[in-house]
Amino acid sequence: DVKVTQSSRYLVKRTGEKVFLECVQDMDHENMFWYRQDPGLGLRLIYFSYDVKMKEKGDIPEGYSVSREKKERFSLILESASTNQTSMYLCASTFRQGPQQPQHFGDGTRLSIL
Amino acid sequence: GESVGLHLPTLSVQEGDNSIINCAYSNSASDYFIWYKQESGKGPQFIIDIRSNMDKRQGQRVTVLLNKTVKHLSLQIAATQPGDSAVYFCAENIGYSTLTFGKGTMLLVSP
Repeated sequence: DVKVTQSSRYLVKRTGEKVFLECVQDMDHENMFWYRQDPGLGLRLIYFSYDVKMKEKGDIPEGYSVSREKKERFSLILESASTNQTSMYLCASTFRQGPQQPQHFGDGTRLSIL
Repeated sequence: GESVGLHLPTLSVQEGDNSIINCAYSNSASDYFIWYKQESGKGPQFIIDIRSNMDKRQGQRVTVLLNKTVKHLSLQIAATQPGDSAVYFCAENIGYSTLTFGKGTMLLVSP
């Protein structure tokens, strides 16, 4: 089975802090994604990556950046955390580039910014 | 923090009943669809997928129906069990684009 692991289940940070969320997949997947999930808004794509050192903006990239130095690891960075970034963050991956394949998700990091 | 289940339409069924969860998708050019299940405190879990050249696909206790004419997707769960209680949402995809997710339906199964 695919295993997508997010390093923290719950995280509390303060406004203005730089926050790192980590995601690791163990199935040699090429594509990785970061979403945030908010009540009433569903899943919204922040950034994604098709390969090491490559990144693409999703629908809501403002206030975020990403890093993919190794194939198995995709990091989401909040450069200067704000209270409106309090949310559930979900990482996902797919095996290869190309259409018609499901994304496999981690269990999420619930981030609170105080 | 708030649960992902708040603000969602809810379907309440009795254990043993069949459940039907519906999804209206937005783009007539979408060619691939997925159903996910999300239990409280967990990430979305893949249930079943279907390509646009099919009308129906069956899995274990689940069936997905696709009606391209009215852009409608449904998930049928047979003999619903308390462990099926979760938020269910659909996702659509066109070619090499990223997935677009629906907002979901909460399924509540009473013993």
